[in-house]
Amino acid sequence: AQSVTQPDIHITVSEGASLELRCNYSYGATPYLFWYVQSPGQGLQLLLKYFSGDTLVQGIKGFEAEFKRSQSSFNLRKPSVHWSDAAEYFCAVGFGNEKLTFGTGTRLTIIP
Amino acid sequence: GAVVSQHPSRVICKSGTSVKIECRSLDFQATTMFWYRQFPKQSLMLMATSNEGSKATYEQGVEKDKFLINHASLTLSTLTVTSAHPEDSSFYICSALDGPGEQYFGPGTRLTVT
Repeated sequence: AQSVTQPDIHITVSEGASLELRCNYSYGATPYLFWYVQSPGQGLQLLLKYFSGDTLVQGIKGFEAEFKRSQSSFNLRKPSVHWSDAAEYFCAVGFGNEKLTFGTGTRLTIIP
Repeated sequence: GAVVSQHPSRVICKSGTSVKIECRSLDFQATTMFWYRQFPKQSLMLMATSNEGSKATYEQGVEKDKFLINHASLTLSTLTVTSAHPEDSSFYICSALDGPGEQYFGPGTRLTVT
């Protein structure tokens, strides 16, 4: 069955530390891949996306993600987190003009 | 990037009444819009796909007579929750498609049914 998995429900990191959020998908073909961020009570903001080409994708706010076909993964990274990065992060997959399927989300807490 | 708005941002209604939520694409035309529902501390679940000029496509388990969707123009889709009940209280988010893979989300509407 097609699915998107974010194995980490909650991650806590210290401000200034590096971050990696995991995302794995299970689809017959390589879908479009997305990372969104959501602050409490707010909508979703697109951080970055992968359609094809270079497997290392740069996004906004200093985030990047790497697509690894062999591992069916699209992990999100940031070298140094800021307190303002605390939020919920969602990985999502889709095909063209079709709906997106979201992972269950990872809540990021930043400690001083 | 493209901007999508939702109105209202918050609404409280009494049980048994209906409430309409609007989703607008402000600077682009969207043939396709999507409506999602999000419960507290959970992910987004697609309710339906709204296509301009045609009937919406509902996901399995979503009552089409309860959640009425109208996409009458290329910039506006509406979701009407009919005969709302407390279990319909949720965060409703819309998105609009601006090309393949280019999906932009609204800020969401918090519905509380008392």
